[in-house]
Amino acid sequence: GENVEQHPSTLSVQEGDSAVIKCTYSDSASNYFPWYKQELGKRPQLIIDIRSNVGEKKDQRIAVTLNKTAKHFSLHITETQPEDSAVYFCAASKYDTDKLIFGTGTRLQVFP
Amino acid sequence: DSGVTQTPKHLITATGQRVTLRCSPRSGDLSVYWYQQSLDQGLQFLIQYYNGEERAKGNILERFSAQQFPDLHSELNLSSLELGDSALYFCASSELAGGSYNEQFFGPGTRLTVL
Repeated sequence: GENVEQHPSTLSVQEGDSAVIKCTYSDSASNYFPWYKQELGKRPQLIIDIRSNVGEKKDQRIAVTLNKTAKHFSLHITETQPEDSAVYFCAASKYDTDKLIFGTGTRLQVFP
Repeated sequence: DSGVTQTPKHLITATGQRVTLRCSPRSGDLSVYWYQQSLDQGLQFLIQYYNGEERAKGNILERFSAQQFPDLHSELNLSSLELGDSALYFCASSELAGGSYNEQFFGPGTRLTVL
């Protein structure tokens, strides 16, 4: 069945360091991979996404890479700031259905 | 603010009861999705409607049902509530459905507590 694995479950970094979160998906037909940031008690917010015809996408301090062969995609945050502290979810969906299959989330803590 | 609205914000009820959660999508969005977020299950897709029609179904219990109205707002009905139904219920919307990379924008959620 469809499944998205996400690692690590928790990540603590010093302010200014980089953070990397990795996801693996099971359905090779998946073609859209968004990342959401969720602060405590708030809604998930889309921060970046990547489509299967692209290998890498960058938006300021955030970048996402996709390896279709290995069915891996990763979120990279550089120069982390305390306000980056939140839970990050990866997700995957495919062409004929829009339902997002979410990973289990990564709690990122950035210490000043 | 994503433009997706949900009411109520909080709901406290007893086991066996029935509740209705409401969602209004962003202006112009035709697709509405419902997700359940619980501590042990993470974010789980429940159901999707597109322009009034059911489009996709996830692991939605038979006790749960949903519909999308002509004005595109959607309601999620939860009946015969159990303690395990306590969760955050999110609605999301997107412009289209299928065949494209549809960014989904989430509402603020409804926190359901079943006592």
